[in-house]
Amino acid sequence: GAGVSQSPRYKVAKRGQDVALRCDPISGHVSLFWYQQALGQGPEFLTYFQNEAQLDKSGLPSDRFFAERPEGSVSTLKIQRTQQEDSAVYLCASTLGAGNQPQHFGDGTRLSIL
Amino acid sequence: GENVEQHPSTLSVQEGDSAVIKCTYSDSASNYFPWYKQELGKGPQLIIDIRSNVGEKKDQRIAVTLNKTAKHFSLHITETQPEDSAVYFCAANNGGSQGNLIFGKGTKLSVKP
Repeated sequence: GAGVSQSPRYKVAKRGQDVALRCDPISGHVSLFWYQQALGQGPEFLTYFQNEAQLDKSGLPSDRFFAERPEGSVSTLKIQRTQQEDSAVYLCASTLGAGNQPQHFGDGTRLSIL
Repeated sequence: GENVEQHPSTLSVQEGDSAVIKCTYSDSASNYFPWYKQELGKGPQLIIDIRSNVGEKKDQRIAVTLNKTAKHFSLHITETQPEDSAVYFCAANNGGSQGNLIFGKGTKLSVKP
């Protein structure tokens, strides 16, 4: 497809389990962002990649959160030892180049921790 | 760091009326201000954006104004239609060159037929 694709759309996990969320950006897009959106709130920045380089991870809430983009295309956000407060929608966005360009968002993964 | 405030949190208008959503930002280094529309179960969709070298931008029924001195920007939707009903977010870039966005808390717009 032409847009940003995220999978799975829904993920339910028990507290303490590890989860992995996938983002397929628009083909050829250099920059990739992950955001976390709590219910009724705006998205909050987690981390940013330019190609395969993770240039900013200042928004990751703890060392249980890890993101990678090994080949500069698909990205995975991994959360270890999940907690209930990790329940949120995780959004991925990509832009064609670097810098301040229009960000195109996927539909997100809704993560529920029981 | 940047902080973005958005008002109102909810807005109800009659079909055909105009809707205005206002945002303020704190970091004078911010220079890119997009607006997103988010429907239930979907990701945010960019509807219009403005850069700090421009005071106003219009696209059909949607317009955005920016006042750099006062650090506020507004979204104007004219001739509203029921399909405009959604949550709208304003955002500002974090002042640096990488482009990560700081979002407001959103405005739930309801357009009544």
